[in-house]
Amino acid sequence: AAGVIQSPRHLIKEKRETATLKCYPIPRHDTVYWYQQGPGQDPQFLISFYEKMQSDKGSIPDRFSAQQFSDYHSELNMSSLELGDSALYFCASSLAGRGETQYFGPGTRLLVL
Amino acid sequence: QKEVEQNSGPLSVPEGAIASLNCTYSDRGSQSFFWYRQYSGKSPELIMFIYSNGDKEDGRFTAQLNKASQYVSLLIRDSQPSDSATYLCAVTPSGGYQKVTFGTGTKLQVIP
Repeated sequence: AAGVIQSPRHLIKEKRETATLKCYPIPRHDTVYWYQQGPGQDPQFLISFYEKMQSDKGSIPDRFSAQQFSDYHSELNMSSLELGDSALYFCASSLAGRGETQYFGPGTRLLVL
Repeated sequence: QKEVEQNSGPLSVPEGAIASLNCTYSDRGSQSFFWYRQYSGKSPELIMFIYSNGDKEDGRFTAQLNKASQYVSLLIRDSQPSDSATYLCAVTPSGGYQKVTFGTGTKLQVIP
């Protein structure tokens, strides 16, 4: 079965640079979630989109923005990167109306130097 | 107090034993409960979800929910070394597209 696709899988950036992470949900899933997971920590919810509209917002810094496109893929844009942004970034998708079971992508490992 | 609490472990059990993982949550309105397994450096993998009070079994896994006590658990029977991972309890307040709140996870070690 098709899973959530994330790209890139690994990313190295310098401080103050920008990064764009992409997420392609499971086909027919209409809801996308973004999470940040630091070393030894649980995933922290950043933001979610349902039918291309922001549906919920968590601890996403103002330097970050995200959107969901007409094909339901989502992009997380990160600007003015800081060392503390180094983490695993997961995207998850679900089908609204079928409960909130979220299926996670493989993640993007971001390293800010 | 965190919204979702788990004992961080590590919880060590011998191969073939039953591993019992526990989770408590603070929001009485929570309606959906999930257990994810996460290997180091990998993404969380859904193991079980449960919505109603009682037990739900799937193979070697049994999820137990007690909404009155705000408690959810995961039992793993016949534990295998491959079950060694961090188990994340996750809770969502209602249906639709609400965010999921994770516990900090319990690290399980199955000793051969």
